[in-house]
Amino acid sequence: DVKVTQSSRYLVKRTGEKVFLECVQDMDHENMFWYRQDPGLGLRLIYFSYDVKMKEKGDIPEGYSVSREKKERFSLILESASTNQTSMYLCASETSSYEQYFGPGTRLTVT
Amino acid sequence: AQSVTQPDIHITVSEGASLELRCNYSYGATPYLFWYVQSPGQGLQLLLKYFSGDTLVQGIKGFEAEFKRSQSSFNLRKPSVHWSDAAEYFCALNTDKLIFGTGTRLQVFP
Repeated sequence: DVKVTQSSRYLVKRTGEKVFLECVQDMDHENMFWYRQDPGLGLRLIYFSYDVKMKEKGDIPEGYSVSREKKERFSLILESASTNQTSMYLCASETSSYEQYFGPGTRLTVT
Repeated sequence: AQSVTQPDIHITVSEGASLELRCNYSYGATPYLFWYVQSPGQGLQLLLKYFSGDTLVQGIKGFEAEFKRSQSSFNLRKPSVHWSDAAEYFCALNTDKLIFGTGTRLQVFP
């Protein structure tokens, strides 16, 4: 079974803090994704990566950056957390047939 | 523009009843379509997918979906719903990335 893990299930941070969300997959997938999920808005793509050290902006990249130093690990960085970044963050890795496998999510609260 | 619409925000059914969740898409080429399910507090799980071929696709947990090109639809069905099916369901369209609908929350009454 594909396994995608995320470093934290719940996280509380203060405004202005730098926040790291980590995602690890164990299936050697090349493609990995970060989404945020908000009620009524569905999932919105923040960033994605097709290979190590490669990254592409998604639909809502502002205020975020990513890092992919190893194939299995894809990190999302909030450079200076703000209250409007309070959300559920979901990481996914993708097979060659476009099936995405999701981690359990990190619920981030910024106060 | 490429998009996915799930017209029903919330659906309530009785356990044992049949279920149909609607999904419409907008895309100029042959679509790759998916249905995902999300249980409370969890990530998304793939239920089924359509790439080409047979327009009726079978998935896990007893779900099926039918692709209708003429109606730009990919509706999800289950003949008899179980209480454990209560969750949120997302339809998605793959272009160069996955485009998700806003989801349908399913509530199941005993």
